Amino acid sequence: NAGVTQTPKFQVLKTGQSMTLQCAQDMNHNSMYWYRQDPGMGLRLIYYSASEGTTDKGEVPNGYNVSRLNKREFSLRLESAAPSQTSVYFCASTGRGDYEQYFGPGTRLTVT
Amino acid sequence: DAKTTQPPSMDCAEGRAANLPCNHSTISGNEYVYWYRQIHSQGPQYIIHGLKNNETNEMASLIITEDRKSSTLILPHATLRDTAVYYCIVRGPYYGGSQGNLIFGKGTKLSVKP
Repeated sequence: NAGVTQTPKFQVLKTGQSMTLQCAQDMNHNSMYWYRQDPGMGLRLIYYSASEGTTDKGEVPNGYNVSRLNKREFSLRLESAAPSQTSVYFCASTGRGDYEQYFGPGTRLTVT
Repeated sequence: DAKTTQPPSMDCAEGRAANLPCNHSTISGNEYVYWYRQIHSQGPQYIIHGLKNNETNEMASLIITEDRKSSTLILPHATLRDTAVYYCIVRGPYYGGSQGNLIFGKGTKLSVKP
C-alpha cells in the first residue's frame, strides 16, 4: 500500500515550458487535491476533484489545469510555466466519510 | 483566509509536554478542529481532530474549550522528531465536495530542543 505517490520529485523548467505533475493513490479514495506551498507559507489549494469525473477550482487555480484520469490518478498541468509557479506541489486524497487527508511527498518545481 | 490563529513559533524541551494553542473564535457548530503537522518540507501528516469533546490518540491529545473558541494540542513527551510546523484547521463535516477542503494558515513552528 504505497498511499499517495507523486512524480517527478524534482523538476526545473524554463519560462514558457509546459509539464504535467502526476499523482496516484491506491486507497480507493473518492476525493483528490492539488496544493502548492511557497517558502514560509501554508499550503494553498489549487484544484480539487470531489469524485471521479469532477474537478473544481480552489484558491489559486490560475495558470493550471487538472485532469482526473480515473479514480486513482489526478494530474496537474502547467501549460506555460512562469517563475511565480516555483513552489512545492503536494497532492492529497481522502475517502468519503474519512476524516484524514493523506498527502504525497511533494514535487519541487523551479521555473527559471 | 484561515479561520484560526496560532503563534508563529514555540520551543519545547525534549521529554517535556508541548502545548500548542489555537484560537478559532468564529467556529460554527458543526465544524471540527483538525491538527496536522509538516516535518521539514514533507507532506503534511494528520494528527488528531475533535468536535467538542477532548480527544486522545497515540500521537497527541486535543483539548477544546467549552465555548469551542480555542483549543490546545498536547504532545505529552516531545522528542526531537516532533520538531515540525503544526497546523490548526477548522473544517466542516465531509460528505464529498468543497466542505472537505482544508485551509492552511502559517501554523506554529515547534522546535524541540535537547
